[in-house]
Amino acid sequence: QQQVKQSPQSLIVQKGGISIINCAYENTAFDYFPWYQQFPGKGPALLIAIRPDVSEKKEGRFTISFNKSAKQFSLHIMDSQPGDSATYFCAASIETSGSRLTFGEGTQLTVNP
Amino acid sequence: EPEVTQTPSHQVTQMGQEVILRCVPISNHLYFYWYRQILGQKVEFLVSFYNNEISEKSEIFDDQFSVERPDGSNFTLKIRSTKLEDSAMYFCASGRTLRSTGELFFGEGSRLTVL
Repeated sequence: QQQVKQSPQSLIVQKGGISIINCAYENTAFDYFPWYQQFPGKGPALLIAIRPDVSEKKEGRFTISFNKSAKQFSLHIMDSQPGDSATYFCAASIETSGSRLTFGEGTQLTVNP
Repeated sequence: EPEVTQTPSHQVTQMGQEVILRCVPISNHLYFYWYRQILGQKVEFLVSFYNNEISEKSEIFDDQFSVERPDGSNFTLKIRSTKLEDSAMYFCASGRTLRSTGELFFGEGSRLTVL
């Protein structure tokens, strides 16, 4: 019940295209859903996050869509660039209890020039 | 920009040896975490630490593991007797407040190789 399922495992997109990564969770107590970006040899870095009281959050080219009833959320990267090539992890936590982040399996995104 | 720093970046050790991984969290952060990532797999929670005590630990964090904040700046993870399956990248993270649990700042990691 603590798991977060992420798909696809890998994704190849042409420059300028839209990258879409999906996540699903089971634990309805989760109330904070961040996305982390990880470049090779680096630690994960927070990209964008959403709380379940909104259905969408946009920051620049990055958008999270959240479907509370389906227990799913997704990351959309508009106008994907080669510099976006990285591994993306969705995560979930029970924020108010200070609980840990539960990460998805990760998606390796490659944006071809 | 403040950052979490970790040392060593890479450590190779023999099975059964003790290892200490060190972290300097961001200075005004109060919540500290260790996560690990086995090569090619997802990032997994090990332990959280607040107010000089463990807040929560995962099933991975057994008696072979311990954490300590020996002074006002360092946060350490000790593995008492390493096993082959402890080989992984270990990430330290820190957060400023309880309500920003998701907004963790990760270090670049310490790669542990157990032979």
